[in-house]
Amino acid sequence: DTEVTQTPKHLVMGMTNKKSLKCEQHMGHRAMYWYKQKAKKPPELMFVYSYEKLSINESVPSRFSPECPNSSLLNLHLHALQPEDSALYLCASSQDWRSTDTQYFGPGTRLTVL
Amino acid sequence: AQSVTQPDIHITVSEGASLELRCNYSYGATPYLFWYVQSPGQGLQLLLKYFSGDTLVQGIKGFEAEFKRSQSSFNLRKPSVHWSDAAEYFCAVGMNYGGSQGNLIFGKGTKLSVKP
Repeated sequence: DTEVTQTPKHLVMGMTNKKSLKCEQHMGHRAMYWYKQKAKKPPELMFVYSYEKLSINESVPSRFSPECPNSSLLNLHLHALQPEDSALYLCASSQDWRSTDTQYFGPGTRLTVL
Repeated sequence: AQSVTQPDIHITVSEGASLELRCNYSYGATPYLFWYVQSPGQGLQLLLKYFSGDTLVQGIKGFEAEFKRSQSSFNLRKPSVHWSDAAEYFCAVGMNYGGSQGNLIFGKGTKLSVKP
């Protein structure tokens, strides 16, 4: 099973709302990632968790707050977002955080900020 | 700096025709190369990957790719395209951060359209 699940599939929120995106994998992977993808662009790395510790934050604004409660679960908490934050948010996982490890992607959450 | 270039933004081929999508990379060390496919509104699915060994790599859905170190290329090919292959294709290189850690650097993608 190489499945990464993400909920919700779609999310519409106002700029004052607080919401969370959820990502789950049961492959025993120890590295998990959040990417942001704008239309017609490649995915852009936001965060990397390795063994449940935040290893990379690619200068992401603090209105995005990641959390890794356990090795199977990754959350992205959203607060006071801007319309330009509207995008497809992709979660991925890999066996470990190595360049040789295949990253498996979830289907994404389509976020619209009004 | 490491980079991945996909020279073709959009390619249209007829169903049943052959396909080649180009990918060039700039990387100082041995590259770890990947091709992903993304259908509209979906996540990315791995087609194939190259780490070492045989430079011709077979993947899923009838795709293959050839690593050519002398040309810094990793082009994706398919002998006969199906309408369901219409999607966005991303080439990526796995990057090391001075150790065993690695992230993916993506090319900008090539959109494939298939004519009936």
